[in-house]
Amino acid sequence: NAGVMQNPRHLVRRRGQEARLRCSPMKGHSHVYWYRQLPEEGLKFMVYLQKENIIDESGMPKERFSAEFPKEGPSILRIQQVVRGDSAAYFCASSESGSPYEQYFGPGTRLTVT
Amino acid sequence: GQNIDQPTEMTATEGAIVQINCTYQTSGFNGLFWYQQHAGEAPTFLSYNVLDGLEEKGRFSSFLSRSKGYSYLLLKELQMKDSASYLCAVSDDRDDKIIFGKGTRLHILP
Repeated sequence: NAGVMQNPRHLVRRRGQEARLRCSPMKGHSHVYWYRQLPEEGLKFMVYLQKENIIDESGMPKERFSAEFPKEGPSILRIQQVVRGDSAAYFCASSESGSPYEQYFGPGTRLTVT
Repeated sequence: GQNIDQPTEMTATEGAIVQINCTYQTSGFNGLFWYQQHAGEAPTFLSYNVLDGLEEKGRFSSFLSRSKGYSYLLLKELQMKDSASYLCAVSDDRDDKIIFGKGTRLHILP
């Protein structure tokens, strides 16, 4: 049973470009969470999604950031017009139910904006 | 407001015992987690406490006092592979979100 998959593992973008981060949850999991981790910082909640629905996006910046979890395919975190401050590790976690107790984390995508 | 505090760094010796403390102030509470995160890797789940008291799991134990807003993670018989960051996190019962502390970097010396 494959765990949570994220790709790419490393992503380099120049300022102003778009970044697309993908997350495939564990098989049977329909709840996805995205977190951002800056160097020397803890994980910061960004958004919580179920299939085709955004449940809570209170941690996501209102501009340039969007997330989706379509009926088919991975969850996508999209960052438009990236800036240097977007450089961070972005982790995805999934769970079978909405219980935070059962969240399993993916290996993360490290975004570097040059 | 929501706030989780834990020491930034700690150092301990191989074979010894170390206790990592965490204090929290959150609007709602639905349990406290400890995660281990090695550099460059994903966090992995260590423990979950929702009731007061001590939960033991092998070399790791976690304690919770809800009235004091306090938890600790106790690591016994330290091994070099225990060098990692340890993240304290609280689940808010209002919305099922997990709020993470900044983590404690634990260095193990031979």
